[in-house]
Amino acid sequence: SYELTQPLSVSVALGQTARITCGGNNIGSKNVHWYQQKPGQAPVLVIYRDSNRPSGIPERFSGSNSGNTATLTISRAQAGDEADYYCQVWDSSSVVFGGGTKLTVL
Amino acid sequence: EVQLVESGGGLVQPGRSLRLSCAASGFTFDDYAMHWVRQAPGKGLEWVSGISWNSGSIGYADSVKGRFTISRDNAKNSLYLQMNSLRAEDTALYYCAKDLYSGYDSGVGDYWGQGTLVTVSS
Repeated sequence: SYELTQPLSVSVALGQTARITCGGNNIGSKNVHWYQQKPGQAPVLVIYRDSNRPSGIPERFSGSNSGNTATLTISRAQAGDEADYYCQVWDSSSVVFGGGTKLTVL
Repeated sequence: EVQLVESGGGLVQPGRSLRLSCAASGFTFDDYAMHWVRQAPGKGLEWVSGISWNSGSIGYADSVKGRFTISRDNAKNSLYLQMNSLRAEDTALYYCAKDLYSGYDSGVGDYWGQGTLVTVSS
């Protein structure tokens, strides 16, 4: 089965740029989606199909996907961006989630 | 405003059954695929099952195949998950999620409910 690999944690200084990676075999050939989940809350879609932002998601959130790595980039990080982030793809008739990355804003 | 409200969770003994429901409002329910996604305590997200807009395409995670059945009633704007032969490892918060598309073969959940907790224990 297809596997997505995310770092367990990423730290970023307030106002700086955070990059969260999602690794998978030839993931560049797939559509990657990203979710933000804050403690005690349901996940929120922040990026779909590699680089598209749903309405209401700040432009500070962007995504890219190439080769074996997809990346979620959060510019000008804010305290409110602290959360778990999950990448997700569709593979072989199944939805696959990455293990999640905890983003800490210092 | 899109709303998804799950219900039906609770404490159940191993081997028993439970039926989850998700009431949808604020969008044209029969235009979109729907999914169930679960999250065990302190763990990550795990897709459980998805169903296309007209129930023509359905998929399950290997971990629940043969035990769980997803269904929908477009007339009632409702999604269901029949869970049989429950195991301790099925203990999780179960989310209902609306897909961005009519087919379930993308799994893009653009709206999620708050979840219903299922605890499988003797």
